[in-house]
Amino acid sequence: DVKVTQSSRYLVKRTGEKVFLECVQDMDHENMFWYRQDPGLGLRLIYFSYDVKMKEKGDIPEGYSVSREKKERFSLILESASTNQTSMYLCASSLWTNSGNTIYFGEGSWLTVV
Amino acid sequence: KNQVEQSPQSLIILEGKNCTLQCNYTVSPFSNLRWYKQDTGRGPVSLTIMTFSENTKSNGRYTATLDADTKQSSLHITASQLSDSASYICVVSVFTGGGNKLTFGTGTQLKVEL
Repeated sequence: DVKVTQSSRYLVKRTGEKVFLECVQDMDHENMFWYRQDPGLGLRLIYFSYDVKMKEKGDIPEGYSVSREKKERFSLILESASTNQTSMYLCASSLWTNSGNTIYFGEGSWLTVV
Repeated sequence: KNQVEQSPQSLIILEGKNCTLQCNYTVSPFSNLRWYKQDTGRGPVSLTIMTFSENTKSNGRYTATLDADTKQSSLHITASQLSDSASYICVVSVFTGGGNKLTFGTGTQLKVEL
């Protein structure tokens, strides 16, 4: 089974702190994604990566950056956390194909910024 | 603007009963449509993926239908179980120059009661 592992399930950080959310997948997928999920808004794409060291902005990249130094690992970075970044963050991965590739999600990281 | 709208927002049914969830979309050009199940506090799990040429696909007690002409999809759950209580998310994929872009609905919250 494909496994997408998010290292931190629950975090509480202070405003202005730098926050790292780590994600690892074990199926050699080319694509990796970071989403945030907020009530009533659905999942929104922050950044995605289709290869090592490659990254593309999603719909809401402001306040975030990402790093993909190894194929299996995709990190989301909040340079200076703010309260409006309190949310559930979901990492996902998939094969590189334009057909109906399944996207596998991690279990989510609940971030509270106080 | 590409949109995916789901109805109802929430639904309560008795165990053993059937139910149907709806998804209407306006995204274009259409690539595929997915249904995900998301248990509370967990990441979404894929149920079905359908391209425009497929009008029905089943996964156990879950059957998804797609009418690409009217841009509507439904997810039918047969003989519901308590474990079906979850949020069901419709996701539509569009072709872009860089691959597929996903647009997420906000989900239908299903509760199955005894």
